[in-house]
Amino acid sequence: NTKITQSPRYLILGRANKSLECEQHLGHNAMYWYKQSAEKPPELMFLYNLKQLIRNETVPSRFIPECPDSSKLLLHISAVDPEDSAVYFCASSQERTASGNTLYFGEGSRLIVV
Amino acid sequence: GDSVTQTEGQVALSEEDFLTIHCNYSASGYPALFWYVQYPGEGPQFLFRASRDKEKGSSRGFEATYDKGTTSFHLRKASVQESDSAVYYCALGDTGNTGKLIFGLGTTLQVQP
Repeated sequence: NTKITQSPRYLILGRANKSLECEQHLGHNAMYWYKQSAEKPPELMFLYNLKQLIRNETVPSRFIPECPDSSKLLLHISAVDPEDSAVYFCASSQERTASGNTLYFGEGSRLIVV
Repeated sequence: GDSVTQTEGQVALSEEDFLTIHCNYSASGYPALFWYVQYPGEGPQFLFRASRDKEKGSSRGFEATYDKGTTSFHLRKASVQESDSAVYYCALGDTGNTGKLIFGLGTTLQVQP
């Protein structure tokens, strides 16, 4: 899927700061960060609609999202914890509606905390 | 709250076997229902969706029918191929107007040649 690009694809960190980046080329208005731990389904972290943070799941404060424009999404991580080891997926949908969105996912950024 | 329950664990089949993965949901009203497929090292891929009772969704030979009476959206394929080996997720659109997708735990399909 080259329509939603994420970088970096792999990341090995100690207790450092790093940012994940995502860009979608679908013209969608809503963008998401999902976290997928091993052998588990994706879990919503953040949702942006038209650059506004709509829903902030109860994630640790060391995760800070940023949406510089409607096609880009960043996830800043500071002082990572071993429990943060997971794959972080960016996703987008045409818009956020009450009837349920069709989400399209990027390839993911695999974070390994050492 | 809204939830999804699907066939647990692994399903092992041989090529050309018939596939059924069960999915049941708990929600008020008519939530949108989805099937996603995830191959190793990739993000979940949208397969198809349905939003109304008796509506059938289909893609790549997979299909499921929205059944409000049994609150189900079972995934079926008449003849699986080795390339169908992946994790399949049933999901529903949160009826609380949050824009959130709620995923089931996933079912791993392994197809032997």
